[in-house]
Amino acid sequence: QQQVKQSPQSLIVQKGGISIINCAYENTAFDYFPWYQQFPGKGPALLIAIRPDVSEKKEGRFTISFNKSAKQFSLHIMDSQPGDSATYFCAASMDNQGGKLIFGQGTELSVKP
Amino acid sequence: DVKVTQSSRYLVKRTGEKVFLECVQDMDHENMFWYRQDPGLGLRLIYFSYDVKMKEKGDIPEGYSVSREKKERFSLILESASTNQTSMYLCASRIQGATNYGYTFGSGTRLTVV
Repeated sequence: QQQVKQSPQSLIVQKGGISIINCAYENTAFDYFPWYQQFPGKGPALLIAIRPDVSEKKEGRFTISFNKSAKQFSLHIMDSQPGDSATYFCAASMDNQGGKLIFGQGTELSVKP
Repeated sequence: DVKVTQSSRYLVKRTGEKVFLECVQDMDHENMFWYRQDPGLGLRLIYFSYDVKMKEKGDIPEGYSVSREKKERFSLILESASTNQTSMYLCASRIQGATNYGYTFGSGTRLTVV
């Protein structure tokens, strides 16, 4: 079963716009929620991460919003740029499972100039 | 620059062949992972290893095995390749107990089974 569900599968945004990618999880024992960014021909790389004791984390143009009661979290990319065009994966893990990451299905983002 | 290196970028194998995918990391990380990446399914965990000679099944271990004889090397073995194992395979490593859980991924091996 898919423990982390991600949407949309693909997203097209104009340069300067806001990109929003959503994830929902089922297991309330998850305690770490990272986002990974993957460019073509490369492996995923950690972008930003959050723990459930905070509702928001911001790093530059990237923000994670976290809603513990709804079991949802989202990535917001402000002032989206063509260089942000990539595939984005949300993920979740829990300490008592050795921290192994469970990934969402991925979102292919295209930012048009 | 720290690295996870996967030995092959592209592989084409025949059905029934035994296939070895190699992964080497130079960061002295204890934990290593094998994922496969398929469109619409994201990354799914095949096997992982917390340390040398240790291995644990992930979510989709059927048809695969692994070997971790040295800390820096984690091999994924397809015992008898099948067409449904055509996929992108990603290796990752992580320092044991890292508070940020940041994985370092290799660039992947795209395997085609014909």
